[in-house]
Amino acid sequence: QKEVEQNSGPLSVPEGAIASLNCTYSDRGSQSFFWYRQYSGKSPELIMFIYSNGDKEDGRFTAQLNKASQYVSLLIRDSQPSDSATYLCAFQPSTSGTYKYIFGTGTRLKVLA
Amino acid sequence: GAGVSQSPSNKVTEKGKDVELRCDPISGHTALYWYRQSLGQGLEFLIYFQGNSAPDKSGLPSDRFSAERTGGSVSTLTIQRTQQEDSAVYLCASSAGTSETQYFGPGTRLLVL
Repeated sequence: QKEVEQNSGPLSVPEGAIASLNCTYSDRGSQSFFWYRQYSGKSPELIMFIYSNGDKEDGRFTAQLNKASQYVSLLIRDSQPSDSATYLCAFQPSTSGTYKYIFGTGTRLKVLA
Repeated sequence: GAGVSQSPSNKVTEKGKDVELRCDPISGHTALYWYRQSLGQGLEFLIYFQGNSAPDKSGLPSDRFSAERTGGSVSTLTIQRTQQEDSAVYLCASSAGTSETQYFGPGTRLLVL
């Protein structure tokens, strides 16, 4: 089983719709989860992090974490064409003594005008 | 203030040659990460430095890869006897602490002919 899995997409949504991006992870002890956005040809940039079960909202973005089911999701409300990018989820393993990040392969989102 | 910088931005080399990639983190950031991203893939963790602690080298794919961080600041990733499969974008990121936001540099695009 891969440490983190994401659907590669592309996920296409119309402008104004809600985009839902999902990620599952294998390390049950992980505590820290992150969503990064990467535009084509650019470097990743952090959108949100979440540490606790439940929802965390920041503007049009909501991160959802369910540790029991080992998944984390990102909702983008009122999707805009400028949201078209690859979204990478990442987590920090629970192994003590290291704070490395494990990234998924990313989901490509296309918001259609 | 300046962000993370990397040099060179592009590197073309012949198979079997050694290459050195440089990363200048944000001033004061104690954590520094190296990742590799192959075309259309997610980020592959390579190595992580935190302050004066021993680096986490668990992601280095072979003994041809090594990295050092001098004076807790600049880092160099060295690939010896390059192979064509080493062709990728090498990204460096720094953060103020172990679970703080990572800021990525623009990357070095390495092409091994």
